[in-house]
Order: sequence, then C-alpha cells, then structure tokens
Amino acid sequence: GAVVSQHPSRVICKSGTSVKIECRSLDFQATTMFWYRQFPKQSLMLMATSNEGSKATYEQGVEKDKFLINHASLTLSTLTVTSAHPEDSSFYICSVPPYRDYGYTFGSGTRLTVV
Amino acid sequence: AQTVTQSQPEMSVQEAETVTLSCTYDTSENNYYLFWYKQPPSRQMILVIRQEAYKQQNATENRFSVNFQKAAKSFSLKISDSQLGDTAMYFCAFMRLQGAQKLVFGQGTRLTINP
Repeated sequence: GAVVSQHPSRVICKSGTSVKIECRSLDFQATTMFWYRQFPKQSLMLMATSNEGSKATYEQGVEKDKFLINHASLTLSTLTVTSAHPEDSSFYICSVPPYRDYGYTFGSGTRLTVV
Repeated sequence: AQTVTQSQPEMSVQEAETVTLSCTYDTSENNYYLFWYKQPPSRQMILVIRQEAYKQQNATENRFSVNFQKAAKSFSLKISDSQLGDTAMYFCAFMRLQGAQKLVFGQGTRLTINP
C-alpha cells in the first residue's frame, strides 16, 4: 500500500492559537486525502475531504473556518486548527484513498491538546 | 446514507482461541468494498482484510477470514488461533465505489486476548 507520513505526532498549544498538521503521501500522488477526528474510545469521524487544487469538502457539522484544509500539491495536505480551544483536543488522522489492491492507508495520527 | 453497526463494544478471549467480531451495514448500493481495520494502542490504523461486494468468495488473510453475507448485509471477522498481539480496537468500514471514496466506520469492538 501507499506510505503516509503525518506530523507532528503530538502537539500542545495554548487556547486561541493555531496549529498546523501535515499529511504527506510519500509514494503515491493523492488528488484526494481525508481527515478524521477520533475522540477517546470512539470511532473515526470523517471531517473533510481534501481535494488537490480546489476547495475541501466538509462533512455536515464541521466548521470550515475553524478547520482549514489546504491541498496544494499531490503529496501534501494540511489541516490547520484555528483559534484552538480545549474542546478541539482530540486525535486527528489523515488517510489516502485505496491504492491498487490495497485499502486506505492512514497516517500515524496527531494528538492535539489545547490548554 | 450508509451506516455500519458493530454491536459488540468489547470482547475478550484466551490466547489461541477463535473469536468472531460482528458487523452489519445498511446501503442501497450494489457495488462497494468492506474492510476490517485494527487499531492497536499505538493508534496506527492497520488494514486487516478487505472484501469486494461483487466477489462471492469470502476473503482470507492467514489467521483472519470473513463471513460476507451480502443479502443479509453482514460482514463478520473471524480470528483463528488468536495471539496477544491481536489485542486492539477493530473497526468495520464501508466504502461505496461511486462518487467520493469515503470510508464509513462502525463504532468499533475492543478485543482483548488474554494469556
């Protein structure tokens, strides 16, 4: 399958600041990437679909202005949590779509803590 | 909209035993993929097995096999000769072939393999 690199793995930030999370597809040109959010002991919830060269598609209930997504190249998508608040603390995971005969490949995730 | 249901929040078995995790889904689509993903304590999502809906033969991967019942919309995972390293959260997921390749996840089953 594809190789996906996600950084940082952990980040702690103060309330009101912004945090950027990067997702890189290392060996696969991804025109689409996906961003998920996972609360403790819960499932993954799709936040948005990142589209290379165009606007992201957000799921219902996800604030577009809070979770800014940029997909400027075929190998990089970024998620910026703007004006972060403690309730934004969560585990964020990116993925690329199925590649050849494999399934989705996921990044290793980012644990965001807002204090 | 598609939904995926995992009715077993937690399961626990002894090492070397066989365990079956249940998953049902709801869709009006005829062509789709189903997946089982494993999320160990590291939280890295790992593909366990996948099934194409058009294939009648159940998928197998070493100790992992599925029982795919398309008419009943059921997709259970059987783990044979369970090992301590199988301890993880297991998520059943659905992906339609038409349109955006979004993954829809079930709630997850926490599986513990006891020595």
